[in-house]
Formats: sequence, C-alpha cells, structure tokens
Amino acid sequence: QSALTQPPSASGSPGQSVTISCTGTSSDVGAYDYVSWYQQQHPGKAPKLIIYEVTRRPSGVPDRFSGSKSGNTASLTVSGLQAEDDADYYCSSFAGSNSVVFGGGTKLTVL
Amino acid sequence: EVQLVESGGGLVQPGGPLRLSCAASGFTFTDYWMNWVRQAPGKGLVWVSRINSDGSTINYADSVKGRFTTSRDNAKNTVYLQMNSLRAEDMALYYCTRDPWGIGDFDYWGQGTLVTVSS
Repeated sequence: QSALTQPPSASGSPGQSVTISCTGTSSDVGAYDYVSWYQQQHPGKAPKLIIYEVTRRPSGVPDRFSGSKSGNTASLTVSGLQAEDDADYYCSSFAGSNSVVFGGGTKLTVL
Repeated sequence: EVQLVESGGGLVQPGGPLRLSCAASGFTFTDYWMNWVRQAPGKGLVWVSRINSDGSTINYADSVKGRFTTSRDNAKNTVYLQMNSLRAEDMALYYCTRDPWGIGDFDYWGQGTLVTVSS
C-alpha cells in the first residue's frame, strides 16, 4: 500500500494548460481503470471528485478538466487555467488487496 | 441533498479508544459502499477503511489493521469507525466518504471530524 507518486507542485498562468502526473505500479494504476482525481481548495475542506474511472467527469465539473492513463501513470490536465483552479490535487487508485491508495498531492498554483 | 456528517472526534491519550460516527442522509444508504479517509495536519489524504453495503466485506489499510474496526447500522444510516490503541500518527481529520461501486470513486465527502492524540 505505497502511496502513488505525484509532483509536489505545478503552476501555470491563466489560460494555459497544466498536466499533473500520478505514478503507481502494475498492482494499482496499471492494473485497474479505477483512477480518480480530487480537488481540495483549502486544507481541512472536504475534497471534491473531479475525475473518476480515469477519464469520466462528474456532473457539474467543467470540461477543462480531463484525465488519461498510460501504463502505470495517470495524468490530470487542466486546460484554460482559471484563478479558482488554484488548489491541491490528489489522485487515487483502486489497488490490490481490496484497498485504495492516494497520491501525495500536488499544489497547483495559478500565477 | 446528500449529506455525510461525522462526529465523535476529540482529544484522546495515546493507547486510548475513540469511536467516530458518520450519519448519512439524502440517498439510499444501503446501496453504497462507505469509506473512511484521513488527513493529518498539513499532509495528504490517506485511505483508512471501507465497508460494503450490507457490512459483509470490510477492508483496512495496513497501518490500522488490528486496531480499527469499521461497521455500519443500515437501520440508522450510520457508519462507524472504532479506533483502539491510538497512536500519535493517527492524529488527523477523518472524513467519511460515499463510494458508489466499491472501486474508490468517492463522490461525496463529509466535513470531517478531528482526532487529536496527545497526553
């Protein structure tokens, strides 16, 4: 149950695109198409699901957010960055042994 | 409106017990897996445990296995986390989450309840 690997930080200017990676193993990200992404606006505020099952967006999430996966690495792309996208982003994956594993989180700064 | 309301957090001494509750409303509770996720101050999210809709399948993170017990009362629309032998590293904000398919898609989260472990 080792955490997925995310870059600690990412940044971009308004209107630009940013991609955040999430690297796991053949036992979690590589084994299942069950990768989710969460946005947490402030520490202590409940995270919000923005991508599930690698590419799917819940109702109400802007299509500026998109997900993908290749092998053991999943990615979240935020296009047309807006000020309100400034937040922490976490990936997660269903893993072997009936567990779920999160990434360490990425702080996205909109410059 | 889906609501998940956690309670039961507080200050506990190392080695002590604490029971958290999560009251659910606004959806058919018996259709969903429920999970506990925690976040230590200034740290990331960590999955703790999950329980299926009828309580027959329960899984735990290795870090809490043998010390924590998850259960649910479908008549009360409530899920519980009994925490024993608490350690300093268990100190965190504990979130209750809803998981429609049992595959880690946490579509709703509670506001969290804070557990502080200190003597």
